Amino acid sequence: EVQLVQSGAEVKKPGESLKISCQASGYRFTTFWIAWLRQMPGKGLEWMGIIYPDDSDTKYSPSLQGQVTISADKSLGTAYLQWSSLKASDTAIYYCARLIYNLNGGKMAFGYWGQGTLVTVSS
Amino acid sequence: EIVMTQSPATLSVSPGERATLSCRASQSASSNLAWYQQKPGQAPRLLIYTASTRATGIPARFSGSGSGTEFTLTISSLQSEDFAVYYCQQYNNWPLTFGGGTKVEIK
Repeated sequence: EVQLVQSGAEVKKPGESLKISCQASGYRFTTFWIAWLRQMPGKGLEWMGIIYPDDSDTKYSPSLQGQVTISADKSLGTAYLQWSSLKASDTAIYYCARLIYNLNGGKMAFGYWGQGTLVTVSS
Repeated sequence: EIVMTQSPATLSVSPGERATLSCRASQSASSNLAWYQQKPGQAPRLLIYTASTRATGIPARFSGSGSGTEFTLTISSLQSEDFAVYYCQQYNNWPLTFGGGTKVEIK
């Protein structure tokens, strides 16, 4: 059974750094793209970027490029999303999600989702 | 970037009735279109991909249609557990983009 288990909720101050995780199990981690998505309070879903763990090929949303870093540790079967300097506007629920099928170079629907990580940034 | 526009924003439907949700792409998404259902406090769940293929375990009352720039999600007979927010997503081009969602509420 495919499972994506995300790290717990975080409360941070503006300017602080943060790294959240998504541990995958039930499939071969290196051969499926994993994405990160954001849902701001009361809003819709926003795709942030995606990584192919086998070679760390990564694609970012143009609106978020440079603001976050997506990485993966093959030995741990874990994907990460990190910030070097958080802003209040980063307050959101962050989801990791895996493609339903490994086709089309990462452009595919998301069939498996983590439970979400709530990040609150407040002074 | 392909902009996805969903309508209506809110749909009020009685249980047992049919619901029709629309999604329009600003340029062709071919058939690379997915629909998701999200309930409060839960992660989204994939319902439909490639515009019309139901994901595993999704009831037959959910159906998708369309290609290019116009897509539709139909719920043939709404059950109590179907009241939720529905999102469309295109995966034809980078960046992958979502519509703003349609909330299906009890009439």
